[in-house]
Amino acid sequence: EVQLVQSGAEVKKPGESLKISCKGSGYSFTSYWIGWVRQMPGKGLEWMGIIYPGDSDTRYSPSFQGQVTISADKSISTAYLQWSSLKASDTAMYYCARRGYYDSSGYYVQGAFDIWGQGTMVTVSS
Amino acid sequence: DIQMTQSPSSLSASVGDRVTITCRASQGISNYLAWYQQKPGKVPKLLIYAASTLQSGVPSRFSGSGSGTDFTLTISSLQPEDVATYYCQKYNSALTFGGGTKVEIK
Repeated sequence: EVQLVQSGAEVKKPGESLKISCKGSGYSFTSYWIGWVRQMPGKGLEWMGIIYPGDSDTRYSPSFQGQVTISADKSISTAYLQWSSLKASDTAMYYCARRGYYDSSGYYVQGAFDIWGQGTMVTVSS
Repeated sequence: DIQMTQSPSSLSASVGDRVTITCRASQGISNYLAWYQQKPGKVPKLLIYAASTLQSGVPSRFSGSGSGTDFTLTISSLQPEDVATYYCQKYNSALTFGGGTKVEIK
């Protein structure tokens, strides 16, 4: 079964650092882009950035550039989302998601997010 | 940056009604458009990609259309299990989401 399993909920204080994870299984982890999506309480979905675990090529949404770091360790099929100094406004659910698919010719199509992790709730409060 | 605008932001319809949600891109995006369904407290689910291709396992009452800047998601006969918020997303270059449309049963 293709799945992404995220790390558990976190409660942190402002100014603390945090790294959450997303482990892929059931498919070739290095062959698909992985994205991160934020959902603040009661709000919509926001794309944060994507990474290609095969070579760690990373792209950020302008809204999140410099605010977070996305990385991956292909040896353990895991992607990460990291903060160096959390703010209360970082309180949200964070999802990882697999992007795209391979067509009948074996060509990778950089499409939509087809497989999602279960989400990691991050609460930042003093 | 290309903005994605959904309308309406919410709607209420009866079981069996035909429901249409619109997504407009501020610039042309060809057919690089996906639709997601997020039920309350659940993980988003991909419904449609390439503007009109139904993801495997998605009921055929869902359909998508459009190209360029204007897109629609249609539920041909609304069912109670369709209560959810629906999001469009462009995926050429930046993967921007629309603001969402909350669908409720009247």
